[in-house]
Amino acid sequence: DAGVIQSPRHEVTEMGQEVTLRCKPISGHNSLFWYRQTMMRGLELLIYFNNNVPIDDSGMPEDRFSAKMPNASFSTLKIQPSEPRDSAVYFCASSLGLANTEAFFGQGTRLTVV
Amino acid sequence: AQTVTQSQPEMSVQEAETVTLSCTYDTSESDYYLFWYKQPPSRQMILVIRQEAYKQQNATENRFSVNFQKAAKSFSLKISDSQLGDAAMYFCAYRSGNNNDMRFGAGTRLTVKP
Repeated sequence: DAGVIQSPRHEVTEMGQEVTLRCKPISGHNSLFWYRQTMMRGLELLIYFNNNVPIDDSGMPEDRFSAKMPNASFSTLKIQPSEPRDSAVYFCASSLGLANTEAFFGQGTRLTVV
Repeated sequence: AQTVTQSQPEMSVQEAETVTLSCTYDTSESDYYLFWYKQPPSRQMILVIRQEAYKQQNATENRFSVNFQKAAKSFSLKISDSQLGDAAMYFCAYRSGNNNDMRFGAGTRLTVKP
């Protein structure tokens, strides 16, 4: 299995532009998580899905952030409009739908908003 | 939501010595699981060790072991015989057995001195 695949690996965009981050989870996994990593706040849980359904999006910082999971093999995290303070590394992770199982992470997308 | 606290932003250890990284968590749940992840400079997230809350025995994986104190809600990671390759960010994580989400602490950056 190729593991969790995120794209792009790096994204540089101008303030005000729309940014879309993509994630392909491991086949057979039915839990999917989006995290944001910064020096100040560590790894923050933004939103997670079980069986393609958003369960908790309380970590999404603002209405500018939205996430979708249209099917079991694809999810997106969109920021519109982007701001410099959104600069961070964004991780997608997936796991089996069992709490005793580990989450497998993608390589992350480093987003820079200038 | 449950919170995970890592009170040591940075730690250092001499090669071949032992170091302990601290983690505490706040929860009212009885069913949960705890994890330690390692993040080397490559940004990859690697599972180090996991602990089931219902198990009293502390988990061990080679040079890595945990000290799980359920009443104190403490979950520390001990690294014995530290090696240069252990240098990384270490994240403590809590996974709920009820709603399946997974939350991380802010991380501890470990430096290993030769």
